[in-house]
Amino acid sequence: DQQVKQNSPSLSVQEGRISILNCDYTNSMFDYFLWYKKYPAEGPTFLISISSIKDKNEDGRFTVFLNKSAKHLSLHIVPSQPGDSAVYFCAANSGGYQKVTFGTGTKLQVIP
Amino acid sequence: KAGVTQTPRYLIKTRGQQVTLSCSPISGHRSVSWYQQTPGQGLQFLFEYFSETQRNKGNFPGRFSGRQFSNSRSEMNVSTLELGDSALYLCASSSSTGVVLNTEAFFGQGTRLTVV
Repeated sequence: DQQVKQNSPSLSVQEGRISILNCDYTNSMFDYFLWYKKYPAEGPTFLISISSIKDKNEDGRFTVFLNKSAKHLSLHIVPSQPGDSAVYFCAANSGGYQKVTFGTGTKLQVIP
Repeated sequence: KAGVTQTPRYLIKTRGQQVTLSCSPISGHRSVSWYQQTPGQGLQFLFEYFSETQRNKGNFPGRFSGRQFSNSRSEMNVSTLELGDSALYLCASSSSTGVVLNTEAFFGQGTRLTVV
């Protein structure tokens, strides 16, 4: 039972354009959502998070949007850069504990 | 500030053997979580320790166990290894206390376990 789903295993975007990565969840108890970026042979790196009391959080080129009614969140990267090429994981938890549920990841390729 | 350190980085074991992986969290972090990453499955939560106590547990068989020491370092043990246990095992630490809610976790580089 995949409670956090990333339905697009891969995405290719031209440098300078917007990258939109999507994530859906099924567990209505999730109240905190995170995005991680992972390069090969490295552990995931935290990118940005959002609490369920918000619908948008912005940090530089990265913006996360949360639509609770649709149980959907998305990560926008603007403008996309070649260094953004990595696997992006959507994650969620509830209750403040570190039992984080991850999606299966989306591999982003930014083409120069 | 040193990051999360996992040892060893690579490990090859034979079916039926047991293995112990080690994780040193970021200084001051008391929460340590373990994840298994396999192709197509993403990161699967194994367990989380806080102040030497297992606080959360994922859906893995009892062959997977862990512990945390008083200095917050953690070990994960897998007994009676199976071919399907081949994976990248990631450790993450956070400043989450249960009072300070919703903090991000910082990951180590992982231990690549191959079972042959």
